[in-house]
Amino acid sequence: EVQLVESGGGLVQPGRSLKLSCAASGFTFSNYYMAWVRQAPKKGLEWVATISTSGSRTYYPDSVKGRFTISRDNAKSSLYLQMNSLKSEDTATYYCARHRKTAYYFDYWGQGVMVTVSS
Amino acid sequence: DIQMTQSPASLSASLEEIVTITCQASQDIGNYLSWYQQKLGKSPQLLIHSATSLADGVPSRFSGSRSGTQYSLKINRLQVEDTGIYYCLQHYSAPWTFGGGTKLELK
Repeated sequence: EVQLVESGGGLVQPGRSLKLSCAASGFTFSNYYMAWVRQAPKKGLEWVATISTSGSRTYYPDSVKGRFTISRDNAKSSLYLQMNSLKSEDTATYYCARHRKTAYYFDYWGQGVMVTVSS
Repeated sequence: DIQMTQSPASLSASLEEIVTITCQASQDIGNYLSWYQQKLGKSPQLLIHSATSLADGVPSRFSGSRSGTQYSLKINRLQVEDTGIYYCLQHYSAPWTFGGGTKLELK
């Protein structure tokens, strides 16, 4: 059974940093692109970052480019999101998601972790 | 960036009714369109991928279709457990973009 379990969320002040983690199990982690998707309170879904199988390629939307860094440790089956220079608009539930091979839609999602950026 | 315009934003329907939700892509995305259901307080779940393919374990009353750059999710014979928010996603190219969501309630 595929499982994705996020951790590391919490309350952080504007301008500070936070690092999220996602522990994957039930599949060969190193064979899949992985992503982070977020959802602000009572809002829709927004893709935040994607990383290739080896970690050599990363993709971001303009809203987080230069502030967020996605990374992975295939030996530990873990995905990370380093978030720097956090803003109030980054307040959201962050989901770890697996990209389906070839087609790249999100086929499995974690339960999500809440990040609140506030002074 | 590819824009996904989803409609309606909200919908109230009766049990056993047929429901249709649509997403309009701002450019050609082929069949790179998926649909998700999100129940209150839960993470999104995949319903349909590649515009028309039913995900594993999803009831057959759900179906997807495509006409040019317009995509539709149809729910036949609406059930109580189908309430929630539905999103489309284009996975043709980065940045991956979602529709704004459709909140489906029972009348």
